[in-house]
Amino acid sequence: QKEVEQNSGPLSVPEGAIASLNCTYSDRGSQSFFWYRQYSGKSPELIMFIYSNGDKEDGRFTAQLNKASQYVSLLIRDSQPSDSATYLCAVRRATNKLIFGTGTLLAVQP
Amino acid sequence: KAGVTQTPRYLIKTRGQQVTLSCSPISGHRSVSWYQQTPGQGLQFLFEYFSETQRNKGNFPGRFSGRQFSNSRSEMNVSTLELGDSALYLCASSPTDHSGNTIYFGEGSWLTVV
Repeated sequence: QKEVEQNSGPLSVPEGAIASLNCTYSDRGSQSFFWYRQYSGKSPELIMFIYSNGDKEDGRFTAQLNKASQYVSLLIRDSQPSDSATYLCAVRRATNKLIFGTGTLLAVQP
Repeated sequence: KAGVTQTPRYLIKTRGQQVTLSCSPISGHRSVSWYQQTPGQGLQFLFEYFSETQRNKGNFPGRFSGRQFSNSRSEMNVSTLELGDSALYLCASSPTDHSGNTIYFGEGSWLTVV
């Protein structure tokens, strides 16, 4: 079992729809959780991080964390073609070591 | 505020050579981590430095090494390069070593080994 699992996709959504990206993790000691967006040929760009159970909103993005079920998700409202990218979920334990999932490719269709 | 700066951005090396990559973290950040990204393995943690001390090391052979200087700048070195070392090497910067803070990536160094 991988420490961080994501569906590789592609996840295809129409423009203006809500995109829902999911991630599960195996280590209950994980303390904080990150979502990064990576365009082809570019480095990962931080979207948001969350460390408390519940929802955290930032603009069109909402991160949801459920530690009991060991999953974290990212919702993207009003999806735009420019949101088309690979979305990487990462978890952190006690230090700054991040464990990444393999990423979900999101395709927003105009 | 300047972001994480990595140099060189692109380089080509021959098998058996060595390479040194440099990273300047965001001003005020004291933690620097390094990652390797390949199509097959994804993003994998190499090592983490805080206040010139290595705090964590990933599962990479001893050919991969790093260090951090007193100004928080960091370098990583790969000796005796192999074809499989071709990858994007990413440096990440964070203010402290405490959980609950953000981690930002530089643009990366693209290494091709021929």
